[in-house]
Amino acid sequence: LAKTTQPISMDSYEGQEVNITCSHNNIATNDYITWYQQFPSQGPRFIIQGYKTKVTNEVASLFIPADRKSSTLSLPRVSLSDTAVYYCLVGQNQAGTALIFGKGTTLSVSS
Amino acid sequence: NAGVTQTPKFRVLKTGQSMTLLCAQDMNHEYMYWYRQDPGMGLRLIHYSVGEGTTAKGEVPDGYNVSRLKKQNFLLGLESAAPSQTSVYFCASSAYRGLATDTQYFGPGTRLTVL
Repeated sequence: LAKTTQPISMDSYEGQEVNITCSHNNIATNDYITWYQQFPSQGPRFIIQGYKTKVTNEVASLFIPADRKSSTLSLPRVSLSDTAVYYCLVGQNQAGTALIFGKGTTLSVSS
Repeated sequence: NAGVTQTPKFRVLKTGQSMTLLCAQDMNHEYMYWYRQDPGMGLRLIHYSVGEGTTAKGEVPDGYNVSRLKKQNFLLGLESAAPSQTSVYFCASSAYRGLATDTQYFGPGTRLTVL
């Protein structure tokens, strides 16, 4: 399974755009990139998933360069409620395999 | 539609005691998972199930047993609790395809303390 590396923590202010980059140098051809968000005292929640180029939904955007060795989660105009831990996961589109959660990035948003 | 529920929410055990954590999902998902989360460690997969009657080991299975007698339930057992098993336990489920890319839906967690 491809290992991921992401910053331990990040700080931001309300209204700013936040970009969290995840490195996955050993990503395999069949691997997808998925991001989860976890609020304190809650289970993780799916945010976004992509394979290549750019994916956007109502919550975030995911940028994946052509070599797919990294990916960037972009949160537009963060608010205090975006304070959470963000996990980058890489997993294959294959039945029976499970995702590996790393330590994640703790994002703190201040007013 | 309650999603994924976990019972109990909190529990305190003494070393050597046993207990069972119950996870239930009402989304008709084939795949279910048990994770533990320790401070600074992220989530680590304990066991998972690809369907009723089947289970498989994850990253940290030692000291735990699981059973999936009914599709909607996934039980995690601790036969002889140890202080190292103090943690927050999360259950999750994913759709019938069982792909690693399937969205996992998590329960609210069980906070377990072993004295």
